[in-house]
Amino acid sequence: DVKVTQSSRYLVKRTGEKVFLECVQDMDHENMFWYRQDPGLGLRLIYFSYDVKMKEKGDIPEGYSVSREKKERFSLILESASTNQTSMYLCASNNLRTGTVYGYTFGSGTRLTVV
Amino acid sequence: TQLLEQSPQFLSIQEGENLTVYCNSSSVFSSLQWYRQEPGEGPVLLVTVVTGGEVKKLKRLTFQFGDARKDSSLHITAAQPGDTGLYLCAGVYSNYQLIWGAGTKLIIKP
Repeated sequence: DVKVTQSSRYLVKRTGEKVFLECVQDMDHENMFWYRQDPGLGLRLIYFSYDVKMKEKGDIPEGYSVSREKKERFSLILESASTNQTSMYLCASNNLRTGTVYGYTFGSGTRLTVV
Repeated sequence: TQLLEQSPQFLSIQEGENLTVYCNSSSVFSSLQWYRQEPGEGPVLLVTVVTGGEVKKLKRLTFQFGDARKDSSLHITAAQPGDTGLYLCAGVYSNYQLIWGAGTKLIIKP
């Protein structure tokens, strides 16, 4: 069964810490995405990548960075965690050619709490 | 700013009732996707509608794309507790660009 795997389901970090969220997909998808999901706000795109070492800012990139050194892995980095980054973080991937029809495959999410 | 307004935000109904969720925008989309998300999990794609006026059925779920490709609806017939979840619509501009609705939280009571 194809999947997107996020390394942690729950994380609690302290303000100011550097936080790494890891995501791995086994579908050989070109595109990978990081979203955050907050009640009433839907999904907001943080960053996406369409190829190894390539990255593009989404709607809310401030306070975040990403890394894609291998096709299957896309990491989200919170440089200095703040309480307003407490959220559910979702990683997703899709196929460059068929993504508009077959949609995104999402991971199960990482619920991050910054205290 | 592109917006995709989803309504209602919350719906709690008895098992066996029918319901409709709406997704509206002033923008035209190349296609529109509907996802369902269960607690503690990521969204899962239910359907993609592509052609204006298109209707797709998935068992008791009926999805319709507006003629102008600006709006969509999801109708559930005889809702069951297993339909409980967060329903999300997403308007598609390209492989990289989706606009997401805020979601409809649906609870079906036995």
